[in-house]
Amino acid sequence: KNQVEQSPQSLIILEGKNCTLQCNYTVSPFSNLRWYKQDTGRGPVSLTIMTFSENTKSNGRYTATLDADTKQSSLHITASQLSDSASYICVVRGGYQKVTFGIGTKLQVIP
Amino acid sequence: DVKVTQSSRYLVKRTGEKVFLECVQDMDHENMFWYRQDPGLGLRLIYFSYDVKMKEKGDIPEGYSVSREKKERFSLILESASTNQTSMYLCASSPFTDRVGGNIQYFGAGTRLSVL
Repeated sequence: KNQVEQSPQSLIILEGKNCTLQCNYTVSPFSNLRWYKQDTGRGPVSLTIMTFSENTKSNGRYTATLDADTKQSSLHITASQLSDSASYICVVRGGYQKVTFGIGTKLQVIP
Repeated sequence: DVKVTQSSRYLVKRTGEKVFLECVQDMDHENMFWYRQDPGLGLRLIYFSYDVKMKEKGDIPEGYSVSREKKERFSLILESASTNQTSMYLCASSPFTDRVGGNIQYFGAGTRLSVL
């Protein structure tokens, strides 16, 4: 069964600190992995996409990594800001356009 | 910018009522989706549509139906609302042949439905 597991479920960090969110998947075959950010009361918005051949990709203070061999991805947030408070959802696309969502990690950045 | 608009942000209905959730996208996307999002369960696909008048069941279609009469509009219908359908409902759209974008989905802001 295709699964996407994210850890931790929730995280509280001080403003200005860094953090790393994890995503492990068992989806096969693998097409791509996307990280979404979902602000409270809003729909998810795409942050970055990782394909099989990509190891690292940055989008401002967000850096995603992918290890296709171990089927793991991480999202690293540098110098966190209050506006980073949100849920971060890992989504893996497999064969036949099948998409599997992780439950998400809820991040709270406090002053 | 892609815009996906859901007709209501909050909705309160009674058990047994017929409920319509409307979604409109302005980017001429072929694919449209309806999800529900519950704490601890994440997003679960209810139905999707890849063309006008076409629909496919997702993972949890029971108790729901959909309608897509026009390309830009995708409606979710709860024929007889029940309390276990209280949830956040999210609509999304994506282009059909989005090879470069990897089939990114654009989401609406969501409708929080409470069934009493």
